[in-house]
Amino acid sequence: QKEVEQDPGPLSVPEGAIVSLNCTYSNSAFQYFMWYRQYSRKGPELLMYTYSSGNKEDGRFTAQVDKSSKYISLFIRDSQPSDSATYLCAMSLYNTDKLIFGTGTRLQVFP
Amino acid sequence: DSGVTQTPKHLITATGQRVTLRCSPRSGDLSVYWYQQSLDQGLQFLIHYYNGEERAKGNILERFSAQQFPDLHSELNLSSLELGDSALYFCASSVGRTSGRSYEQYFGPGTRLTVT
Repeated sequence: QKEVEQDPGPLSVPEGAIVSLNCTYSNSAFQYFMWYRQYSRKGPELLMYTYSSGNKEDGRFTAQVDKSSKYISLFIRDSQPSDSATYLCAMSLYNTDKLIFGTGTRLQVFP
Repeated sequence: DSGVTQTPKHLITATGQRVTLRCSPRSGDLSVYWYQQSLDQGLQFLIHYYNGEERAKGNILERFSAQQFPDLHSELNLSSLELGDSALYFCASSVGRTSGRSYEQYFGPGTRLTVT
């Protein structure tokens, strides 16, 4: 079993939809939770990070962490075709540098 | 643009050969990380250097090695290449552990390695 599980998709939604992307994990010691966006043939780009549990909002993006369920989510409101990319969740232990990534969910937003 | 640069963009080589991938971190970043991304394994952590010293190793093969130089650029050396080494290799950088923000890693554009 992988430490971080993520549905590979693809997830196809119409423009303007609310998108929900999720990851589950097995290591309860993870403390930092990140979401990266990766466009085709590009490097991953840090979108948001959250420490421990709770919600964090940044524009159209909201990240949620539920440590009791070992479940994290990224919500995208008013999705745009420019949001079409692969979304990777990543996690790390407290005060370590190694990021454990999910395999990524491919999102396609059509006009 | 993350500010992390990697060269070359593409590399095609034969089995058994050795290649060197180069990474320059963002200005001011002391930590450099190397990752391998393949279709079946996803993004895998290889190794981390902080200010010239190796800090952590992940799933890095013995045929692979890395170093970070005094000017903070890093090189990843891959030797005795096999077909299975074909992948995207990313370098990332961060401010460093002492800042408490080592989870904020900024990725370069990657080097696509094809072993034939």
